[in-house]
Parts: sequence; C-alpha cells; structure tokens
Amino acid sequence: DIQLTQSPSFLSASVGDRVTITCRASQDISGSLAWYQQKPGKAPELLIYAASTLHSGVPSRFSGSGSGTEFTLTITSLQPEDCATYYCQQLKSYPIAFGQGTRLEIK
Amino acid sequence: EVQLVESGGGLVKPGGSLRLSCTASGFYFNLYSMNWVRQAPGKGLEWVSSIDPTSGYIYYADSVKGRFTISRDNAKDSLYLQMNSLRGDDTALYYCARGGVTTLNYGAWGQGTLVTVSS
Repeated sequence: DIQLTQSPSFLSASVGDRVTITCRASQDISGSLAWYQQKPGKAPELLIYAASTLHSGVPSRFSGSGSGTEFTLTITSLQPEDCATYYCQQLKSYPIAFGQGTRLEIK
Repeated sequence: EVQLVESGGGLVKPGGSLRLSCTASGFYFNLYSMNWVRQAPGKGLEWVSSIDPTSGYIYYADSVKGRFTISRDNAKDSLYLQMNSLRGDDTALYYCARGGVTTLNYGAWGQGTLVTVSS
C-alpha cells in the first residue's frame, strides 16, 4: 500500500506570506496526486489534481508541483480565507490514501 | 449545479447495521466513479470505498472489507453504502465524493452524514 506523509502538520503564517506544504509518497505515484482544502465544519474541496492542474474556480495563488514521490502545494500571498486544513491524496492505485493533513493558521 | 446529498446516518449500537445513501444531481451520474470517504471526529480523511460507473470495479479499505458493501443505482442517480457489524471506530462523518471521468480526483463532495456507533 502507498502511504503519504505531509509536512509540516501545523503551519502558522501571516497574510501575504508564501507557504509551502510537502507531501511525500512511499513509492512512485507519477503525477497521480490531488490536493484538497477543508475549512472547519465543511466538506473538503478540490484544489489541484494531476499534481499541478488547478481545479476550476480555485484562485491562482494556489499551485502544485512535483512527480514521483515528492510533491508540494504552494500558496503565494496568503489570504485570511486560506485558514484551513490541507490534504494530499494519491490516486495511483488502490487503496486510495490521504496524507494526515496540514493545519494552516493565519497569524 | 453539481449536488451530492448524503442521508441515512444516525446512532447505532455496536454490531448493528446502517445503510447510507447519496443522491446526485446536476451531472450525468452514470459517467462517474463514486466514492465514500469518512472522517472520524477531529481526525483526517480516510478513504472507504469506490465503485466505477457500471459497478464492474469495486474497492474497499481493509478496515471495512467484509463488513461494508458499496452499490449504486444509475437509474436513480444514487450511491449506497451498506454497513454491517459496525464498531466504535466506524464512528465518523461519511462523505460521498464524485470521481473523475478522465481525470483522477474527487471533484465534488457532499456535506456528509454522521454515523455514531455506541451502546
């Protein structure tokens, strides 16, 4: 089974900052990785799929990169509404796996 | 507008059963794979099960294999999860999520239905 490890688990940053979240896969998943944002009390929402493709309607300050076993989600110019937990997900093979999540706090 | 609405959650005793439903609208349900994902209180996301558009391919997490059954009725635009032999660690918010047609992602999610397993 493929495991995903996100780092950091918690991140505190200020409005306008650039933040980066890393997701490492236990084996090569090519580009089969998605990123989700989940705000408190809400369902997750797709941000990025195929490692770097921005989902429709997602602000351009979000971007993804990587392939193989190492991936990053970057938020440039952090906004107050970006306060959320972020998850990566591998869709290369079953069982599907999610990372453990990164909670992002706005200072 | 794409909508997924889950129902069927509730309080059940250990060893009991529940059937969750997810009703879809706003898209061609019969073209998409569908999925169940759960989230225990205060915890992360856990994939539970997936089913392809024709019910020809079905997958389960090891934690639910042999106890849960996923199914769909394309005529009713509905997805189901039959949950038997429920345990305390099945307590979670259960989300229905739409897979992609040609892309790998869960592009739409319902708001979830809460399952609580407790005596």
